[in-house]
Amino acid sequence: DGGITQSPKYLFRKEGQNVTLSCEQNLNHDAMYWYRQDPGQGLRLIYYSQIVNDFQKGDIAEGYSVSREKKESFPLTVTSAQKNPTAFYLCASSIAGSSNTEAFFGQGTRLTVV
Amino acid sequence: DQQVKQNSPSLSVQEGRISILNCDYTNSMFDYFLWYKKYPAEGPTFLISISSIKDKNEDGRFTVFLNKSAKHLSLHIVPSQPGDSAVYFCAAKAGGTSYGKLTFGQGTILTVHP
Repeated sequence: DGGITQSPKYLFRKEGQNVTLSCEQNLNHDAMYWYRQDPGQGLRLIYYSQIVNDFQKGDIAEGYSVSREKKESFPLTVTSAQKNPTAFYLCASSIAGSSNTEAFFGQGTRLTVV
Repeated sequence: DQQVKQNSPSLSVQEGRISILNCDYTNSMFDYFLWYKKYPAEGPTFLISISSIKDKNEDGRFTVFLNKSAKHLSLHIVPSQPGDSAVYFCAAKAGGTSYGKLTFGQGTILTVHP
């Protein structure tokens, strides 16, 4: 089955630690995205990548970092500089370019800082 | 600056009746609009979309209407079913941008009562 896999589903982190969230897709999509969802709010874009070895900041990139070494993988690191990291994180992918179609989402990772 | 707004946090409807979810936007550069459905602790799933060159798109029980002059779109679900109970997000994409780079509304919780 083609899809997007995020792991782990739940993640706990101590304050001051970096943590990396995994996102893998086998849809052969060029573009990948990381969103964050907070209670009562919509999804906000953290980073996106349209092609391997290239990525761009989204609306709330501070305290996060990404890499795109392979087409199918787009890991997100939540660093200790992120002031409020507890949230639900969603990875998505789409065909690159600006034609009209939808983005596909993974099942999400809930990160809790303890 | 909330460019996509869903002003109703929640909506309650009886099974078999119509559900109408509303969404307003402010950015005139948006040219493609999508609705996603989301269950708790899961990723959003694509429901239906509409291009700015159309004013209506229908897919089974789901119809999306776009009023560009009012910068308003709505999702109609007829007839509503208990399985439709979820959070519905309106999203928009600006022309010329990658179509995973979406701006989301805050979401509307739909509850369909048997």
